[in-house]
Amino acid sequence: AQKITQTQPGMFVQEKEAVTLDCTYDTSDPSYGLFWYKQPSSGEMIFLIYQGSYDQQNATEGRYSLNFQKARKSANLVISASQLGDSAMYFCAMRELGGGYQKVTFGTGTKLQVIP
Amino acid sequence: NAGVTQTPKFQVLKTGQSMTLQCAQDMNHEYMSWYRQDPGMGLRLIHYSVGAGITDQGEVPNGYNVSRSTTEDFPLRLLSAAPSQTSVYFCASRGSTGSGATNEKLFFGSGTQLSVL
Repeated sequence: AQKITQTQPGMFVQEKEAVTLDCTYDTSDPSYGLFWYKQPSSGEMIFLIYQGSYDQQNATEGRYSLNFQKARKSANLVISASQLGDSAMYFCAMRELGGGYQKVTFGTGTKLQVIP
Repeated sequence: NAGVTQTPKFQVLKTGQSMTLQCAQDMNHEYMSWYRQDPGMGLRLIHYSVGAGITDQGEVPNGYNVSRSTTEDFPLRLLSAAPSQTSVYFCASRGSTGSGATNEKLFFGSGTQLSVL
């Protein structure tokens, strides 16, 4: 069974600094996808970044990068040059891709607060 | 392009009442799902569907029913509301063509905040 663990309930970062949000996962399927979503205080869920387990390079999307360490089963989100608008809840998620498995499992989230 | 539309945005029910949360998408997505979000527990999957006429249970299906008669619509029914169903509910869909983020990315509705008294 797939499982996602986010051990940081809350974090603070100074504006313009980089921050790493931790995510570890557990699966026995060699084929899987990892995601990060952002949820601002307004409540909507915003897709940030995706990493496939067979992707050769770490995914990047603008200021977001996913530090994928397969052997350690970690998929940390790195936000560079933090902005006040980055203050939000961040969720790590995973889907096992083998066997047509359709469920996306989410972690419990990390609340990031950016300090001016 | 409306994306995923959920209604209502807010709802208050009394224990024992029934209601249906509506979800519609206009992206021709085969996959649709319902999640509930509770403080400290992230998003938990209630039910999902991989196409019209096909549904399956997620992690927390008890107390909820779904059906999928069309590709566009995936309503969630609460048969007899209980205070434990007080939560924020999200509908999400994704496509089945393409690869990587194009295929895997979930599109979320804006959520329904439900309170059961």
